[in-house]
Amino acid sequence: ETGVTQTPRHLVMGMTNKKSLKCEQHLGHNAMYWYKQSAKKPLELMFVYNFKEQTENNSVPSRFSPECPNSSHLFLHLHTLQPEDSALYLCASSPLQGTNYGYTFGSGTRLTVV
Amino acid sequence: AQKVTQAQTEISVVEKEDVTLDCVYETRDTTYYLFWYKQPPSGELVFLIRRNSFDEQNEISGRYSWNFQKSTSSFNFTITASQVVDSAVYFCALSEEETSYDKVIFGPGTSLSVIP
Repeated sequence: ETGVTQTPRHLVMGMTNKKSLKCEQHLGHNAMYWYKQSAKKPLELMFVYNFKEQTENNSVPSRFSPECPNSSHLFLHLHTLQPEDSALYLCASSPLQGTNYGYTFGSGTRLTVV
Repeated sequence: AQKVTQAQTEISVVEKEDVTLDCVYETRDTTYYLFWYKQPPSGELVFLIRRNSFDEQNEISGRYSWNFQKSTSSFNFTITASQVVDSAVYFCALSEEETSYDKVIFGPGTSLSVIP
């Protein structure tokens, strides 16, 4: 069982739907991340939260809206997505800012936009 | 700017063969960190190793070994006596000290298939 839990594991949504991805960690980490993994592309960093504050938005379209209510939970709210947004969305956490210990990843949410 | 290159897109080996996965990085920092992650078919990336730029000693962990060479900006990963369970996508990654948080840049990954 990974220390980072993502739900749902799979999601199919229409372009007009609104859905949310959830990420939860109880590792005591203070930094959390959203990554997008598309077929044939490198992992793309989307958002970074450090102590609940967003510190990075990597030019992500506004149809993706993150939320970090506390250091243990991270959400990615989705609305009016496009088919090209279909991908594996990975959440990760790390202990402290600037320590470069490496990430603990969740198993991801496989998103299909139809 | 930082960059990670994994020139091998896909590798197939027969079980029990040794295999080396290449990783070349670019950075202007003198202090940086290198990582390897494994992504099995289940999806999650599993942390394998972290190495800082001041530690050039090679490391061995069971069947896994890592060769860090600053002179060639490479951090290669060797699996000895490969097993079917080693089949996965392997990512090399780089993090620079100057970021105020752990911002890791990943290479494109190498897909390893170990054939029984």
